[in-house]
Amino acid sequence: DAGVTQSPTHLIKTRGQQVTLRCSPKSGHDTVSWYQQALGQGPQFIFQYYEEEERQRGNFPDRFSGHQFPNYSSELNVNALLLGDSALYLCASSPRQAATQYFGPGTRLLVL
Amino acid sequence: EDQVTQSPEALRLQEGESSSLNCSYTVSGLRGLFWYRQDPGKGPEFLFTLYSAGEEKEKERLKATLTKKESFLHITAPKPEDSATYLCADLTTDSWGKLQFGAGTQVVVTP
Repeated sequence: DAGVTQSPTHLIKTRGQQVTLRCSPKSGHDTVSWYQQALGQGPQFIFQYYEEEERQRGNFPDRFSGHQFPNYSSELNVNALLLGDSALYLCASSPRQAATQYFGPGTRLLVL
Repeated sequence: EDQVTQSPEALRLQEGESSSLNCSYTVSGLRGLFWYRQDPGKGPEFLFTLYSAGEEKEKERLKATLTKKESFLHITAPKPEDSATYLCADLTTDSWGKLQFGAGTQVVVTP
């Protein structure tokens, strides 16, 4: 049973560019959440998607947007990249009724 | 605002030296308290979910407990492979799915 998968594993971009990160949830899960983790800190919640709609959003600017597809996979898009966007981006999935979220391996984004 | 605080920030243990990590939370409506283990450069690995005060869960050398405002992760007779950052997070009753994480406790177990 495959767990949560994310792609790419690493990415290098320059300031002002745009990036798209992808996530496939664990089998049987229909809810996807995205988190940003800076070095030495705990993950910070960006948003959660269920039934292809954004259900809850954390304290992140509109430059961060997302999408969920009918097969429950999800994308995170970040526009006008800043140096401070450099972080590990984590995707987590869960069945809607359950509280526990399971994380993928993350995408390491470096903005130069 | 919901805050989760973990202590200590770092812990260095000898192999076999038991210890406890602390996680305190401020929210009153708790839907769940979660413990994860994270190795460097990897995603958090789920360990435990606790739902109500008095609940305890165990897995190998790890035991998690929950009170009304704190949770503890006890590591009994740790081994070097238990070295990792341990994260706790809470989920409130008025939240769709926002996990509020602490900053983590970095544990190093030396042989």
